[in-house]
Amino acid sequence: GAGVSQSPSNKVTEKGKDVELRCDPISGHTALYWYRQSLGQGLEFLIYFQGNSAPDKSGLPSDRFSAERTGGSVSTLTIQRTQQEDSAVYLCASSINGASGGYEQYFGPGTRLTVT
Amino acid sequence: AQRVTQPEKLLSVFKGAPVELKCNYSYSGSPELFWYVQYSRQRLQLLLRHISRESIKGFTADLNKGETSFHLKKPFAQEEDSAMYYCALRFSGGYNKLIFGAGTRLAVHP
Repeated sequence: GAGVSQSPSNKVTEKGKDVELRCDPISGHTALYWYRQSLGQGLEFLIYFQGNSAPDKSGLPSDRFSAERTGGSVSTLTIQRTQQEDSAVYLCASSINGASGGYEQYFGPGTRLTVT
Repeated sequence: AQRVTQPEKLLSVFKGAPVELKCNYSYSGSPELFWYVQYSRQRLQLLLRHISRESIKGFTADLNKGETSFHLKKPFAQEEDSAMYYCALRFSGGYNKLIFGAGTRLAVHP
């Protein structure tokens, strides 16, 4: 079947604008993750959704960042009042069941965000 | 604090040479370690996990709890191994959150 998909693939925005990044996980995967990939910084964990449990938001860098997951499927990462340091590739991943096995995370192609 | 360290940003070798990509971790619990790989213009994907004790594409990695290391090794590098490699640590206790290292770019020259 189809893998994890993300949209848009590229986004250029002006400093101060809000952006929304979308992730469609693999069907049937209950766990969904957002990461940020910055040059030289590796992958930085942002947020983790597991089924109907409260999300783990411990990686969000500021209150300008938020994420939702509607209906246990599609997720949207929102960045408000974007700053230049938000420029990065935002990766989404999903796994079958984050709590009891199925640890392999399947990654999407990412959204490259550029804040000018 | 939980941390994964990959000390080398770039590792450059010739085809046929042995390769070792270093990974050290800091975690007080029982760790699970993974290696993920990202080939050029491809998605990040799982290469191997320590609990499987498997060899994938000729790569192996052994968890050394005494040295808190999980180095990735291959005896004879191939040009197609050129990629970005990330070491990752999974928290125990039922959570699947991964902490990634900064990554090492492996360049295998002909």
